[in-house]
Amino acid sequence: EAEVAQSPRYKITEKSQAVAFWCDPISGHATLYWYRQILGQGPELLVQFQDESVVDDSQLPKDRFSAERLKGVDSTLKIQPAELGDSAMYLCASSLGLAGSTGELFFGEGSRLTVL
Amino acid sequence: GESVGLHLPTLSVQEGDNSIINCAYSNSASDYFIWYKQESGKGPQFIIDIRSNMDKRQGQRVTVLLNKTVKHLSLQIAATQPGDSAVYFCAELEDDYKLSFGAGTTVTVRA
Repeated sequence: EAEVAQSPRYKITEKSQAVAFWCDPISGHATLYWYRQILGQGPELLVQFQDESVVDDSQLPKDRFSAERLKGVDSTLKIQPAELGDSAMYLCASSLGLAGSTGELFFGEGSRLTVL
Repeated sequence: GESVGLHLPTLSVQEGDNSIINCAYSNSASDYFIWYKQESGKGPQFIIDIRSNMDKRQGQRVTVLLNKTVKHLSLQIAATQPGDSAVYFCAELEDDYKLSFGAGTTVTVRA
């Protein structure tokens, strides 16, 4: 069964360091999402791509976060510099089309970030 | 703040009983809702969805009910099993293209 791949699963870093997360969506899925999930809370959308274009990045802290999906396939989320409050699970998801057509997003297992 | 939320953060249920998980939303214009299940250490998994032109939708052992009058939806799980222990999120479609998740309800199944 096709899955969304994410790496690394776990990352521990010191504040002010740079961090990068990678996501490979299910083949053929045009829409890719990065969500942040703080412990005990629901996922919060950071950025949404349709192919290689950003559909929504209104909740992405652009002073320190960046995301790209250059060829419309895999994607990278970067944080520089990391802050203590960035400690969270970073979830990548993909879907065939925009969420309005199907609410079925396929999530990866996430990358858990701890900032010391 | 969040427009989608759940009434109770935790629910304990006896194995074999039915579970009911509730969710309230504030945007009366919302027309598409989805339930997700998140097991420990994993990403959320789609369970079932419902559009506002329906009041009820059934899946395998699950039923979602939508009450647009009071802006409330619920997820019913029949004959709850140990594998149903997880955090359940309701999600709402915003702006026709993005999902907003509520805070979640943790379901614990007692043997």
